[in-house]
Amino acid sequence: AQSVTQPDIHITVSEGASLELRCNYSYGATPYLFWYVQSPGQGLQLLLKYFSGDTLVQGIKGFEAEFKRSQSSFNLRKPSVHWSDAAEYFCAVGARANAGKSTFGDGTTLTVKP
Amino acid sequence: NAGVTQTPKFQVLKTGQSMTLQCAQDMNHEYMSWYRQDPGMGLRLIHYSVGAGITDQGEVPNGYNVSRSTTEDFPLRLLSAAPSQTSVYFCASSYSGTLEPLHFGNGTRLTVT
Repeated sequence: AQSVTQPDIHITVSEGASLELRCNYSYGATPYLFWYVQSPGQGLQLLLKYFSGDTLVQGIKGFEAEFKRSQSSFNLRKPSVHWSDAAEYFCAVGARANAGKSTFGDGTTLTVKP
Repeated sequence: NAGVTQTPKFQVLKTGQSMTLQCAQDMNHEYMSWYRQDPGMGLRLIHYSVGAGITDQGEVPNGYNVSRSTTEDFPLRLLSAAPSQTSVYFCASSYSGTLEPLHFGNGTRLTVT
């Protein structure tokens, strides 16, 4: 079975600073990886996804993520954070062997200081 | 283009009451699912469906019932509500499964007293 770990429960960064949110996954074969963002009172919105190919993927709102198979990681990055990026971020994994079930991490809450 | 629509947005139940959370999508997605979100626990899969007439259990199915009579609708039934079912519930859909991005509704906040 697949699993996802987001080691950081809460991260605070200053506006304009760079951001990296960590995600580690466990799955025997090539995973399908996703990052979602949730604003307060809203559902989750897809930021980006990785299925295969180039290990650096670009998403919406200036986010990117890098798939590193050797480290079982899929960390989310943004070079310069905006106050509107304050939200909760979820990493998720899907797998061919279990295509009906996505597994989500516990989420990382991002606070942006002015 | 409504996407995934959940109703109601808020609900308060007494222990033992039953209710149905509604979920509808207008994207002709085959896959639909229900999650519950609790603080510090991420999203946990309750039930899912890969097409009309087909449902299966997720990680936390006890106390919940689903059916899928049409492609568009995937209601979640609480048969006898318990305080442990206090949570925020999300419905999500995708074209064919979890190897594709999920589209989420805005959630139903349920309180059981």
